[in-house]
Amino acid sequence: QVQLQESGPGLVKPSETLSLTCTVSGGSINSYYWSWIRQPPGKGLEWIGYIYYSGSTSYNPSLKSRVTISVDTSKNQFSLKLSSVTAADSAVYYCARDIHYYDSSGYYQGNYFDYWGQGTLVTVSS
Amino acid sequence: SSELTQDPTVSVALGQTVRITCQGDSLRSYSASWYQHKPGQAPVLVIYGKNNRPSGIPDRFSGSSSGNTASLTITGAQAEDEADYYCNSRDSSVSHPNWVFGGGTKLTVL
Repeated sequence: QVQLQESGPGLVKPSETLSLTCTVSGGSINSYYWSWIRQPPGKGLEWIGYIYYSGSTSYNPSLKSRVTISVDTSKNQFSLKLSSVTAADSAVYYCARDIHYYDSSGYYQGNYFDYWGQGTLVTVSS
Repeated sequence: SSELTQDPTVSVALGQTVRITCQGDSLRSYSASWYQHKPGQAPVLVIYGKNNRPSGIPDRFSGSSSGNTASLTITGAQAEDEADYYCNSRDSSVSHPNWVFGGGTKLTVL
């Protein structure tokens, strides 16, 4: 059974960089996409970005200028950095395995997140 | 970006059938996935693709799609189904991969 666990500071000062790590256990990080997703208090889910085990990435356009996602396959971990944070970045941050699937002709059909971490609350405050 | 629209709240009587919908242009091109989210817990995948249930998800959960609308149906809703439900799909308005979530539907089981 694949398990994911987020770790990192629960409190970050405004204008600083939020840094989180997701550790994958019970399976290999290789051959999969891995995403970060967040939920601000009282609001819905927001996709932040993903990384392929090889290192290729895609980010939410609304966050792209501030986000970096990296992977360390030797540690079975991937990480999130979000710079210049404000109170609006306060949220529960989740990591998840991101499955992309295709039809028989090889055309992309959709994605889904099949394993999630429990989430970690990050508060941006001085 | 392409948006996915969900009704904010839906209610259903215990044992009855409820449909939760998700509307968006991207759904004409891409399949949706559905997540059940209870307070203090991680979201749980309940439906993906045309109508696929992960192992462990009860068969009272089913999915369908027509045009720009994807639907999650719970046939014979149980008290434990009370939760927020989110749809997810790819944004079709941009060329690079960008996933979007609907705003969520709070399901109340009466």
